[in-house]
Amino acid sequence: DAKTTQPPSMDCAEGRAANLPCNHSTISGNEYVYWYRQIHSQGPQYIIHGLKNNETNEMASLIITEDRKSSTLILPHATLRDTAVYYCIVRGPESTGNQFYFGTGTSLTVIP
Amino acid sequence: GAGVSQSPSNKVTEKGKDVELRCDPISGHTALYWYRQSLGQGLEFLIYFQGNSAPDKSGLPSDRFSAERTGGSVSTLTIQRTQQEDSAVYLCASSLGGGTTGEQYFGPGTRLTVT
Repeated sequence: DAKTTQPPSMDCAEGRAANLPCNHSTISGNEYVYWYRQIHSQGPQYIIHGLKNNETNEMASLIITEDRKSSTLILPHATLRDTAVYYCIVRGPESTGNQFYFGTGTSLTVIP
Repeated sequence: GAGVSQSPSNKVTEKGKDVELRCDPISGHTALYWYRQSLGQGLEFLIYFQGNSAPDKSGLPSDRFSAERTGGSVSTLTIQRTQQEDSAVYLCASSLGGGTTGEQYFGPGTRLTVT
């Protein structure tokens, strides 16, 4: 699986957009980019995933560069409840047997 | 609907004892994963079940760790002769599987403390 690199921590003002970067320069053609977050003392929660097109859902937007070597998760209007550790993961389809490998993620703190 | 459930939520055991941790995945999910998370660390993959296929045990840290999945549903993670370094939160996740790229749904975890 491709390795991902994320900044260890970030701050964001409440109500502003939070932009969380992730580098995955060794990603291969069939690997997807997934984002999860983990709020303190809870299990990780799925946010969004994509292959090469930008994706948007009710939680966030995912912007993937054209060369697919990096991506950005955007929380458009951060709230205090968005304070969590955000994990960027790349993996292929389950049929290939590839697993999710979580790194240490980015600890996002939303400041009032 | 019901999510992934795990039991017990907390387990304190003495060094050298065996423990069993249980995971009930979401109904209909064919893929099941076990991870562990030590304090302040990211998740460490342990084992993966997909349908009736042989499990991927590549993440198990030692032969003291084993897991089974009965009837393609409930899974039990067993740790024999527990050591203090086994103390962690053990997380279970399930997904639809079957070659899809679907997301994993995590349970609340079991916090294991080995004294």
